[in-house]
Amino acid sequence: KQEVTQIPAALSVPEGENLVLNCSFTDSAIYNLQWFRQDPGKGLTSLLLIQSSQREQTSGRLNASLDKSSGRSTLYIAASQPGDSATYLCAVGDDKIIFGKGTRLHILP
Amino acid sequence: DTAVSQTPKYLVTQMGNDKSIKCEQNLGHDTMYWYKQDSKKFLKIMFSYNNKELIINETVPNRFSPKSPDKAHLNLHINSLELGDSAVYFCASSQVWGGNEKLFFGSGTQLSVL
Repeated sequence: KQEVTQIPAALSVPEGENLVLNCSFTDSAIYNLQWFRQDPGKGLTSLLLIQSSQREQTSGRLNASLDKSSGRSTLYIAASQPGDSATYLCAVGDDKIIFGKGTRLHILP
Repeated sequence: DTAVSQTPKYLVTQMGNDKSIKCEQNLGHDTMYWYKQDSKKFLKIMFSYNNKELIINETVPNRFSPKSPDKAHLNLHINSLELGDSAVYFCASSQVWGGNEKLFFGSGTQLSVL
């Protein structure tokens, strides 16, 4: 049974710093991995999707990496801004999409 | 236009009542989902429909009955509501079925059972 873990559960970082969020999964037989952002009281917005054959994806200040063999993914946020404050969830797709519990990120002005 | 829209945004009701949540997507996607996010913010899949056919039913109590009149709509009907049903319910869609497609989420329906 696929399990997705995100560490840390919460993170506070001063504005301007670079940061890394971690995601691990137990079954490496996945189709893809997605990173989502969830703002309080809102739905989820897909940030990046990495197919199983890919190693990384980039969008603006965000870079997501995937190491299938070790069951790990990271989301790198460069030059963090207060507007980046949100909960970030990773989700792996095998026969269905399984979510981690998320990392609550707070960027301190 | 909102890609995945669900109504209502908030639903407050008494235990034992029956309620429905509606979901519509205008993305032309074949697959739609219902997810439940509990008080600890854990997001768990409930149902998945592909072209109006049920693909996934994650051992959800049969008080929950999804209905898909067409592939653009997936409504969730809940009978005999219980306190433990209180959560945020998210509808989502993807272009095709298979776990390998980008998910698009609605903004959620916060259900409070009193």
